[in-house]
This record gives sequence, structure tokens and C-alpha cells, in this order.
Amino acid sequence: QVQLVESGGGVVQPGRSLRLSCAASGFTFSRYTMHWVRQAPGKGLEWVAVISYDGDNDYYADSVKGRFTISRDNSKNTIYLQMNSLRPEDTATYYCARDRGEVPAADDALDIWGLGTMVTVSS
Amino acid sequence: DIQMTQSPYSLSASVGDRVTMTCRASQGIAGWLAWYQQKPEKAPKSLIYGASSLQSGVPSRFSGGGSGTQFNLTISSLQPEDVATYYCQQYNSYPRTFGQGTKVEIK
Repeated sequence: QVQLVESGGGVVQPGRSLRLSCAASGFTFSRYTMHWVRQAPGKGLEWVAVISYDGDNDYYADSVKGRFTISRDNSKNTIYLQMNSLRPEDTATYYCARDRGEVPAADDALDIWGLGTMVTVSS
Repeated sequence: DIQMTQSPYSLSASVGDRVTMTCRASQGIAGWLAWYQQKPEKAPKSLIYGASSLQSGVPSRFSGGGSGTQFNLTISSLQPEDVATYYCQQYNSYPRTFGQGTKVEIK
């Protein structure tokens, strides 16, 4: 079945780095744009970043621009989120999600979500 | 950036009631609007895309409408399993933005 599984979360000190992974299965991964979305404890959803199906294009929320980098390895059916210079306000559950627009369709809504991985930034 | 504003912040209704919530965009987004459902302590689930198209497997009691800047999500007959927070999201442009959510409870 179509599935996304995030990993790599944990507790990290402010200013340190962490890399999240999201492994996809059950669909042709290389044909889909992928996103990261986060949710701080007790708060709403915040879109974080997107990477195109081929990895050539990416966009970021202003809150993470210059600190986070999204990437993908289509040979491993995996996307990544490299998070540098972490701040306490980055504490959240991080979800990866699939864009329902399959190549050559344009960007679309999110249709498949992972269960999330929790990141806590604290000294 | 496009701001998304949802109302009400929360609502309480009885089983079987018709429930409607709204989402307003700070600028026109045509029909590039999605709705997501998040049950307590669970990951979000996709409900509607293109303002009014149901994702596969979503019960037909859910419906969406609107275009431009004003959108709505309706549950025609509220069920206990619909207790959740509902989020709208625009995908007209980056950064994609979510509304703050509408929490639905059973009276």
C-alpha cells in the first residue's frame, strides 16, 4: 500500500543539526513532488518545504529558509530534511506528505501523509 | 504570502447536524484550495482538493465549495468519528499556507 514513514527525530540542543528522512513505498516515487509540514505542540499545521519530482526545484517557508535543506534520492525512494542552526521554535512533529500531482501534472494538494517524527530542540 | 483565515475557531454540534465552516484567502486563489482532517493525536488526512473534489475514500457527507477568496467545508450529517480539527490550505502559490484550523466537537 502507499506509505510514507518518517524517521530521524529526537532531542537536540539549540544551534545543533538534525537530518530527517522519509521513506516512500507503494507508488512510483520519482514521479511525485514531496513536502515537509510541521506542527508545534498544541498548534496548527505549518508548511515547511517542497522538492520537485526530479529534485531540481525547491521552496521553503521564510521561518526555515537558509537553515533547512530539502533533498531526495529517487534511487532510495527517500526525501530528507537537513535542519541546521536549530531553534527552540523548531520543536514540532514533522510530517512528510506527497503532492497528488503526478508528473507531468503541476503542483497539487497533498494526498498522502506519514505518521510524523518528533523533533525537540532544548538545552 | 497568502493568509488563510478560518472560522469559527471551534464549534459544537449534535450527531446528525449539518455543520459548515469557512476559509478565507487574503487574495484570490481560484479553486486551489484543499481541506484536511486531523483527529486527536493523529496525522492529518486529506479530504478535499480543488475546493470541491473529494479524495478517494472520503465519505460523501463531506463537501466543499467556493472559489476566489471564500471557501466552505460542510458535513451534511455530523458523526462521532468526525470529531477533529479541520484545516484549509492554499496551493495557488508558495509558500503554501494553512488556516489556523476549526475544531469540531460533539454536543
